[in-house]
Amino acid sequence: DIVMTQSPDSLAVSLGERATINCKSSQSLLYSSNNNNYLAWYQQKPGQPPKLLIYWASTRESGVPDRFSGSGSGTDFTLTISSLQTEDVAVYYCQQYYSTPSFTFGPGTKVEIK
Amino acid sequence: QVQLVQSGSELKEPGASVKVSCKASGYAFKSYAMNWVRQAPGQGLEWMGWITTNTGDPTYAQGFTGRFVFSVDTSVSTAYLQINSLKAEDTAVYYCVRDYGCSATACQFPWGQGTLVTVSS
Repeated sequence: DIVMTQSPDSLAVSLGERATINCKSSQSLLYSSNNNNYLAWYQQKPGQPPKLLIYWASTRESGVPDRFSGSGSGTDFTLTISSLQTEDVAVYYCQQYYSTPSFTFGPGTKVEIK
Repeated sequence: QVQLVQSGSELKEPGASVKVSCKASGYAFKSYAMNWVRQAPGQGLEWMGWITTNTGDPTYAQGFTGRFVFSVDTSVSTAYLQINSLKAEDTAVYYCVRDYGCSATACQFPWGQGTLVTVSS
């Protein structure tokens, strides 16, 4: 089974500053035949289902503000919020879908305002 | 558009059973597997397993064998999660999540809105 880890567990960032969340997988999520990384990022606010932000490690979902960006390949990935806004306070999860249809999530990173 | 609509919240006593439904629309139901995800109060997202919708063949993650049953009714494009012999620790929000699919321009990763199951005497 592919195990996902995230760091940090939580972070507090000032409004307008950058927030960076890291995600690591226990095996490569890069599928060589199509050069895609099977990694997604979700945002979850209290009482709501997770909202897809990024897939293929760096493709932004339609309607997601461009302050959200994803990067990385293989086993190491990063979600960056370039200028934190109040509405970005949430828990962020990475998810691998390399083993689709099964998948696994990271434990989550809580983002707060400093 | 693709939609997954789940049944409403449930309050059950310990030892009872519950059946959560997930009605799909906007796509060919039998073309995509359906996953189930659990989120206990204040906790993260936990993958429970998946079911092949064209054959009804389920696969359960570790920790979700025995009391958990996935099923489908293709005639009404609906997937089901049944939990038997409910325990207090089954209290959680349960989500159905369709396998992803891509067109030429974008991919979709559809989720249901979640169903809260509360187990309490």
